[in-house]
Amino acid sequence: QVQLQESGPGLVKPSETLSLSCAVSGGSITTTSYYWGWIRQPPGKGLEWIGNIYSDGNALYNPSVQSRVTISIDTSKRQISLNLSSVTAADTAVYYCVRGRRELPANFWGRGTLVTVSS
Amino acid sequence: AIQLTQSPSSLSASVGDRVTIACRASQGVTTSLAWYQQKSGKPPKILVYDASILESGVPSRFRGSGSGTDFTLTINSLQPEDFATYYCQQFHTYPLTFGGGTKVEIK
Repeated sequence: QVQLQESGPGLVKPSETLSLSCAVSGGSITTTSYYWGWIRQPPGKGLEWIGNIYSDGNALYNPSVQSRVTISIDTSKRQISLNLSSVTAADTAVYYCVRGRRELPANFWGRGTLVTVSS
Repeated sequence: AIQLTQSPSSLSASVGDRVTIACRASQGVTTSLAWYQQKSGKPPKILVYDASILESGVPSRFRGSGSGTDFTLTINSLQPEDFATYYCQQFHTYPLTFGGGTKVEIK
């Protein structure tokens, strides 16, 4: 069974870049049957899709963050990465790494990591 | 972006009750809709995809229905472990979007 583990700084200063990693274990990261993605949830609020990436590196992003976000995949390290630049307090959220079957919703989620944007 | 409106935003129910949660899309999504359950401090767990297909391991008391713009999640005979927040998500069109959530509380 696949397991996803997010990691990264819990505190980021405004205007800086938020960088998170997601370690993938227990399953193939190179199969084209799946995609990997990031979804976030501000404290006490709902869910927001950030973006998805496939094993070939093809990525899709939410227009709400498209100008600031990069999702990448490193198959040798079995790792998915998220970079979000020029962060503000509105980017404070629990960030989840997810995996889904192609053309279907995410069915595996990491436990999530809280990132707070504050000086 | 496609907007998903869930109703009600919260409800109180008793163990054994039947509960119905609605999700309305701002434009048609065929049957490309999923339902998630989220308990406090935990990641969401998928219950239903393709509007009515139960994810493996999900109890049969959960039932999804609908197509186009109107969808429903029904929980038959509510159990103590079902008290949680439920979200719908459309995966028909990018950007993927979620409903605002429905919190199911104990009466």
